[in-house]
Amino acid sequence: DTGVSQDPRHKITKRGQNVTFRCDPISEHNRLYWYRQTLGQGPEFLTYFQNEAQLEKSRLLSDRFSAERPKGSFSTLEIQRTEQGDSAMYLCASSLYGLALNNEQFFGPGTRLTVL
Amino acid sequence: AQSVSQHNHHVILSEAASLELGCNYSYGGTVNLFWYVQYPGQHLQLLLKYFSGDPLVKGIKGFEAEFIKSKFSFNLRKPSVQWSDTAEYFCAVTDNYGQNFVFGPGTRLSVLP
Repeated sequence: DTGVSQDPRHKITKRGQNVTFRCDPISEHNRLYWYRQTLGQGPEFLTYFQNEAQLEKSRLLSDRFSAERPKGSFSTLEIQRTEQGDSAMYLCASSLYGLALNNEQFFGPGTRLTVL
Repeated sequence: AQSVSQHNHHVILSEAASLELGCNYSYGGTVNLFWYVQYPGQHLQLLLKYFSGDPLVKGIKGFEAEFIKSKFSFNLRKPSVQWSDTAEYFCAVTDNYGQNFVFGPGTRLSVLP
């Protein structure tokens, strides 16, 4: 399967614990995006990378959240000191960006986080 | 800042009925527009996209959308829905550099057999 993959698919944690999610994009894609989606809402943009550079961060991304894409391939999203309000689906998407290319994003299945 | 609104939160139709889901966006520059679908238990999939050219775009599964620049709209249509079209539909917009990607709140479509 050459689509976007995310791991784990589900994570249950206790409030105050740290969690880390991984995203593997489509291999030739240079852009990688993180979104958060809560029930009944559309995905909300969190951050994105072009290769290994983090180019934009939403104000939703508090200092408890950090994302990396160290080699320009897979990415991790870490949430420190989780709160119940962090419970959501965390989506990853990737795209091949270039001036002559469209910016279609391909989404992974998401990681559902439940904070007890 | 960009924003996207979708006119209906939940639409209920019978099979073979025609569908139109409204989407309006606010952004002053050149935009790229998308409709994504999320079937129950599945991840987001692209239905169709508009980048330039013919404002009437055709997507998968018989869906189409029309970009009306003067109305800042990108409504999704299908002439005859099927039960299998039951899903959540999201309109999204990005600027021409692939930044500022904003989703609408979604419209849940229920098609009754």
